[in-house]
Amino acid sequence: GENVEQHPSTLSVQEGDSAVIKCTYSDSASNYFPWYKQELGKRPQLIIDIRSNVGEKKDQRIAVTLNKTAKHFSLHITETQPEDSAVYFCAASMASGTYKYIFGTGTRLKVLA
Amino acid sequence: NAGVTQTPKFRILKIGQSMTLQCTQDMNHNYMYWYRQDPGMGLKLIYYSVGAGITDKGEVPNGYNVSRSTTEDFPLRLELAAPSQTSVYFCATSTRDEQFFGPGTRLTVL
Repeated sequence: GENVEQHPSTLSVQEGDSAVIKCTYSDSASNYFPWYKQELGKRPQLIIDIRSNVGEKKDQRIAVTLNKTAKHFSLHITETQPEDSAVYFCAASMASGTYKYIFGTGTRLKVLA
Repeated sequence: NAGVTQTPKFRILKIGQSMTLQCTQDMNHNYMYWYRQDPGMGLKLIYYSVGAGITDKGEVPNGYNVSRSTTEDFPLRLELAAPSQTSVYFCATSTRDEQFFGPGTRLTVL
């Protein structure tokens, strides 16, 4: 079945450094790739997304890149701050038109002050 | 505008008991979803609905049932609770792509 692999499972960076989280998906029909941030005890919230007709998207310190051929997409956070500490989930849409998603297992990012 | 609300916030069940997790949205979204999140894990889709009267199974539907009689409400029913159903349950809605999550229900089955 469809699968999304996410790496690493934990990531520690110094404040001000960059963080990169990578995901690989299996369904070649996937066309929408959101990233969610979940703070401890809170609900997941969308931080950025990308569609399959775009290779890169940026929003201030956050960027996402997509390689459709390799079925890889990545989240890049620059100039990390302590408030970036959270669990980040990638997801990939399932069969077109269903608006269902497969989520990765999450990356716990810790930004050290 | 409350968005997506879930009740209860916490619940402890005994093995074999039943309960209904409530989810209500005031965003007029057609799509609604139920996920479970086990400790340190990602979100697994239990059931979803594309509109009132229409529901379908997700990745992990066994042990659960849903109904969607109105656009606003999407309750999740647990019959014969088992320890494996201990988890945090999130309801979500969407119009198309972006999903909006409720605050979650933390369920423990002992």
